[in-house]
This record gives sequence, structure tokens and C-alpha cells, in this order.
Amino acid sequence: DTEVTQTPKHLVMGMTNKKSLKCEQHMGHRAMYWYKQKAKKPPELMFVYSYEKLSINESVPSRFSPECPNSSLLNLHLHALQPEDSALYLCASSQSYGTGDREQYFGPGTRLTVT
Amino acid sequence: AQTVTQSQPEMSVQEAETVTLSCTYDTSESNYYLFWYKQPPSRQMILVIRQEAYKQQNATENRFSVNFQKAAKSFSLKISDSQLGDTAMYFCAFMKAGGSNTGKLIFGQGTTLQVKP
Repeated sequence: DTEVTQTPKHLVMGMTNKKSLKCEQHMGHRAMYWYKQKAKKPPELMFVYSYEKLSINESVPSRFSPECPNSSLLNLHLHALQPEDSALYLCASSQSYGTGDREQYFGPGTRLTVT
Repeated sequence: AQTVTQSQPEMSVQEAETVTLSCTYDTSESNYYLFWYKQPPSRQMILVIRQEAYKQQNATENRFSVNFQKAAKSFSLKISDSQLGDTAMYFCAFMKAGGSNTGKLIFGQGTTLQVKP
């Protein structure tokens, strides 16, 4: 099973709302990633968790707050977002991070619209 | 720093024909991995093919094959017998095999491929 699931599929939120995106994998992977993708652009890395610890934060604004409650689950908490944060948010996982030979498996994404 | 360049923003091909997508990269690393990912419209990004830099043999996966030219830093994707389901955005990506930032994917800007009936 090479599946990464993400919920919700679509999310519309106002600039004052608080919402969360959820990602789950049951492949036993120990690395999980959040990416942001604008239309017709490549994904941009936001965060990397390795063994449930935050390994990389690509200078993401604090209105995005990641959380890794366990090795299978990754959340992205959203607060006070701006319209320019509207994008497709992709979650990915790999067996590990930092060994270079670990393919990343992507989820279907959450399409976020900030109004 | 590594960079990945896909010089063809859009391409089209007739069904059943062959098409080649170009990718060049720049790195001073000697050991790394290269990938082609496919992202169909409104669908999940999936890995098409991967190549280890230390392997001279070009990777193949069914109708998909690569032409890996390490000295030229070129990594093109050939799709044979194109099918309508191959319509997608294709991303070339680079990953270091050791040292700092190992595991981080560096993507090209993507090539949108349309397969016409």
C-alpha cells in the first residue's frame, strides 16, 4: 500500500479562521513533508518531519504551524491566513529523510482558498 | 546550489506516438538521484521513474525510459506509444545522495504534456 491520504480535499476559509489540514500514511515511513503548490508551478517545500521531529522549516510564516502527533499522522494548522496563501497543499512521505535514496510518495492534496 | 531546468513549458503529441521531455540540471555533487514525477490534472503526483547517478544504465519503466547523460547533466524522459492518460504536468527533480540537505527534492518548473487523440 503506497497511499498517502489527505483531508479535506477542499477548504475555503476566511482570513480570521483557524483550520487544520490532515495527512496520514500507513507505510511505516518515518519522514513526512508539507509542500505548497501554486497553479502550474512545482511544489515548494515547507516542512520536513523526521522521526516525528521537525527537521526542516523553510522559513515558513508562523501562521502555518505543523504538528506530527505520531509517525503516521501529520497536521498543518492554519491561522490568520492571507489570500496569497491560497494553493494546493501537498503532503508526502518517505521511508526516511537524509539518506538520499528514499522516494517521496505524495498525497492528493488539499485545495485551500482563503477569502 | 543545485538547479533543475525544464526548457519546454508545454508540449503535445499524438496518441500512439513517441515524445521526449527535456531536463538539465546543475550540480557539483558526484552522487545524486534524478526523478520524473507526473501530475495529471486535479490528480495525485506520482513517481514515473528514477535514476541513480552512479548507474550508467538508463532506467526504464514500461513505456517510460530516460536518457541520462551525466557529463552533459541531462536527463530526458521518453514516452513511447503515448496514451491519453499520459496527459499531465511532468516534473524533473534532483536529490543529493549525501551531505547537507540530502533528501530534499529540487524540482524543475515542469512541462505540461497534452496527448491528442
